[in-house]
Amino acid sequence: GQQVMQIPQYQHVQEGEDFTTYCNSSTTLSNIQWYKQRPGGHPVFLIQLVKSGEVKKQKRLTFQFGEAKKNSSLHITATQTTDVGTYFCAEPLMDSSYKLIFGSGTRLLVRP
Amino acid sequence: NAGVMQNPRHLVRRRGQEARLRCSPMKGHSHVYWYRQLPEEGLKFMVYLQKENIIDESGMPKERFSAEFPKEGPSILRIQQVVRGDSAAYFCASTGQQETQYFGPGTRLLVL
Repeated sequence: GQQVMQIPQYQHVQEGEDFTTYCNSSTTLSNIQWYKQRPGGHPVFLIQLVKSGEVKKQKRLTFQFGEAKKNSSLHITATQTTDVGTYFCAEPLMDSSYKLIFGSGTRLLVRP
Repeated sequence: NAGVMQNPRHLVRRRGQEARLRCSPMKGHSHVYWYRQLPEEGLKFMVYLQKENIIDESGMPKERFSAEFPKEGPSILRIQQVVRGDSAAYFCASTGQQETQYFGPGTRLLVL
């Protein structure tokens, strides 16, 4: 069945260092979404990417959708302690406009 | 504009008891999703409902679990005869016309 692989599982960085998480799908996607979940919190929608090769920025966060629309990445420049949390990608299930499949998440820890 | 509301935020039950989790979608949203999240894991789709209709319950265990979204009132996820393995965070999300899912704060269920 359709799968989404997200790596790495954990990333521990020094404040100020960069961070990247990657998602790879087994299928060509119509879109991909990214969510952030703080420790003890709930997932919060960050962004949706739709176009092949699309790049979107939100302050220090850069989101990219692959040319083949099968992979995506989230890059954080100069991490801060407020970036701590788990970042999930989510892709729509093929033949379904509503069901999302979530990656296993990348847990980011930032040393002050 | 109130967000997605869930209650209770924390629920403790003994094995064999029933757990009732409530979700009120964001104002104007008529689509509700329930997810389960085990510690250190991603979100697993359970069920998708619209008012008075279960659209997709493929992620829900066949026994002991049920969900409803009545014409009036919140959506309810019901777990009968809880077992220790049911301990998890249960998140509700809602959508309007677009695919972006907005999550509630979750209910942390602990089964003793």
